[in-house]
Amino acid sequence: AQSVTQLDSHVSVSEGTPVLLRCNYSSSYSPSLFWYVQHPNKGLQLLLKYTSAATLVKGINGFEAEFKKSETSFHLTKPSAHMSDAAEYFCVVSDPSGGSYIPTFGRGTSLIVHP
Amino acid sequence: DTGVSQNPRHKITKRGQNVTFRCDPISEHNRLYWYRQTLGQGPEFLTYFQNEAQLEKSRLLSDRFSAERPKGSFSTLEIQRTEQGDSAMYLCASSGTPATNEKLFFGSGTQLSVL
Repeated sequence: AQSVTQLDSHVSVSEGTPVLLRCNYSSSYSPSLFWYVQHPNKGLQLLLKYTSAATLVKGINGFEAEFKKSETSFHLTKPSAHMSDAAEYFCVVSDPSGGSYIPTFGRGTSLIVHP
Repeated sequence: DTGVSQNPRHKITKRGQNVTFRCDPISEHNRLYWYRQTLGQGPEFLTYFQNEAQLEKSRLLSDRFSAERPKGSFSTLEIQRTEQGDSAMYLCASSGTPATNEKLFFGSGTQLSVL
């Protein structure tokens, strides 16, 4: 069975400093991995996805993530945080276990950006 | 692309009542998912459809929950004999085909409060 673990429930950074949101996954297959963002009172939006092409994936708003199979990790980074990045971030894994691709969400990491 | 639409946005009901939510996916998408999200948690998978066929249902899902997608268009999620533990945000998402690594497009959700 697939699963995903987001290692931090909250991450606090100052504006202009780097962001690191950590995610580890478990899968018996070659999974697809995603990061979604949820701003307050808004719907979930895809930031980026990994689907077995390049291991470094670039997304929207300057975010990127690196797939590391040996570490079963898919951490999300951004060189310089902006106030508008404050939101809830979800790591998602999807593989064909059970015969269906069912995206499974992590519990989320709340990103807090201080001025 | 008019997006995924969910109605109602909010529903307040008394314990023991039945409620029904509606989801209108993006018109050309043939996969439709229902998730449930409680405060501080990631979305939890409930069920999904490919066209009109319900292909997967969470084993954690009570038999008080039922979903339909007649004619492969809109979907409804019904909860019978609601309980306070059913209070949550109910999210609908759709995706196109092939759907193995397609991103999910989410609606804004229906917030259910059971008193």
